[in-house]
Amino acid sequence: EAGVAQSPRYKIIEKRQSVAFWCNPISGHATLYWYQQILGQGPKLLIQFQNNGVVDDSQLPKDRFSAERLKGVDSTLKIQPAKLEDSAVYLCASSLDGVAGYTFGSGTRLTVV
Amino acid sequence: DQQVKQNSPSLSVQEGRISILNCDYTNSMFDYFLWYKKYPAEGPTFLISISSIKDKNEDGRFTVFLNKSAKHLSLHIVPSQPGDSAVYFCAAVSSNTGKLIFGQGTTLQVKP
Repeated sequence: EAGVAQSPRYKIIEKRQSVAFWCNPISGHATLYWYQQILGQGPKLLIQFQNNGVVDDSQLPKDRFSAERLKGVDSTLKIQPAKLEDSAVYLCASSLDGVAGYTFGSGTRLTVV
Repeated sequence: DQQVKQNSPSLSVQEGRISILNCDYTNSMFDYFLWYKKYPAEGPTFLISISSIKDKNEDGRFTVFLNKSAKHLSLHIVPSQPGDSAVYFCAAVSSNTGKLIFGQGTTLQVKP
């Protein structure tokens, strides 16, 4: 079974620029999550999709962050404009049933300078 | 509002001894708990889980204990090996929401 694919692995941008991350979940997994992990902290949930609908985006800074899940499969997370405090690892995860069996991708390490 | 807490940022143990990692939670709606292991530059990898209807789950060298009345769980690794050195995250989920909430992580170092 292929894992959760994320790209790019690393990204360095200047503040006020925009950036986009891509995630391809495990085939058949209905639930998809984006997490932000700041150095020294645990992953924080940004948004949760069930198929192509948003279940929870209460922690997503909607003035600068946006996410979509096309046709209930791939997902993109965008930041525009980026701030220094957005420097973090962005993790995508998928789950078959939203209770167990979460699988994480390797993440995208974003550095905003 | 930190619903899942790992109060020890780091732990160092000798190879062959027991490692005990602790986790506390506040939300009584959580009904499933998971431990993840994370190496640098990789995503978290699932280690072991436990349902709220159980108080113990064992998988090889790894055992998770759940004390619902105390809202506390722990991960025991016996015997500890140098390859176990990593960051360990405790996570909890309510089957009503499917929202996985993580603790801050504990960095385990196993010395040869």
